[in-house]
Amino acid sequence: DIQMTQSPSTLSASVGDRVTITCRASQSISSYLAWYQQQPGKAPKLLIYKTSSLESGVPSRFSGSGSATEFTLTISSLQPEDFATYYCQQYTPYSPITFGQGTRLEIK
Amino acid sequence: QVQLQQWGAGLLRPSETLSLTCTVFGGSFSSYYWGWIRQTPGKGLEWIGEIHPSGSTNYNPSLKSRVTMSADTSTNQFSLRLTSVTAADRAVYYCARWQHFGGVFDYWGQGALVTVSS
Repeated sequence: DIQMTQSPSTLSASVGDRVTITCRASQSISSYLAWYQQQPGKAPKLLIYKTSSLESGVPSRFSGSGSATEFTLTISSLQPEDFATYYCQQYTPYSPITFGQGTRLEIK
Repeated sequence: QVQLQQWGAGLLRPSETLSLTCTVFGGSFSSYYWGWIRQTPGKGLEWIGEIHPSGSTNYNPSLKSRVTMSADTSTNQFSLRLTSVTAADRAVYYCARWQHFGGVFDYWGQGALVTVSS
């Protein structure tokens, strides 16, 4: 299986900050890298697909980039509703779909 | 607007069979794969598998021997069965729509906590 490792595990930041979360794959993957946001007690919500495409309705302060084994999610100016846990997810044909372990974004 | 609503038994004894069903409202049920993902504090999000209403399935190899998925186009429902559960299967189980174009799960059910205890 392709292992996805996120860093940091926890990130403390303030409203208005610019933050970046990194996701590293154990081997080179295609552009099928997605990011989800999960609020406590809720299902994950899709933010970004195919590395950098913004899901409909997601604010433009969210952006994604990367290639091969290293990918990033950036939030340009944190809003109060952005404090949540974020997960990356990879899809490679004929290989199990796998998720990162999550990054908890908390208020400093 | 696509909505997924799931239900099923929340408390099981070891060796019993987990059974969950998800109903899809809106969208085209027959045009997509429909999947199951579970979440535990220890292992995080784990893909279980997915099914197309035509009957085609993809299962996580780590669970394949215990998993069966089915789908019913007459009711827009799909189901998960996981046999011989143990405490390690305690998790929140989510149903979701698999969007192959993007390689993502774009719509999710509300989740169901399944506990395994003797």
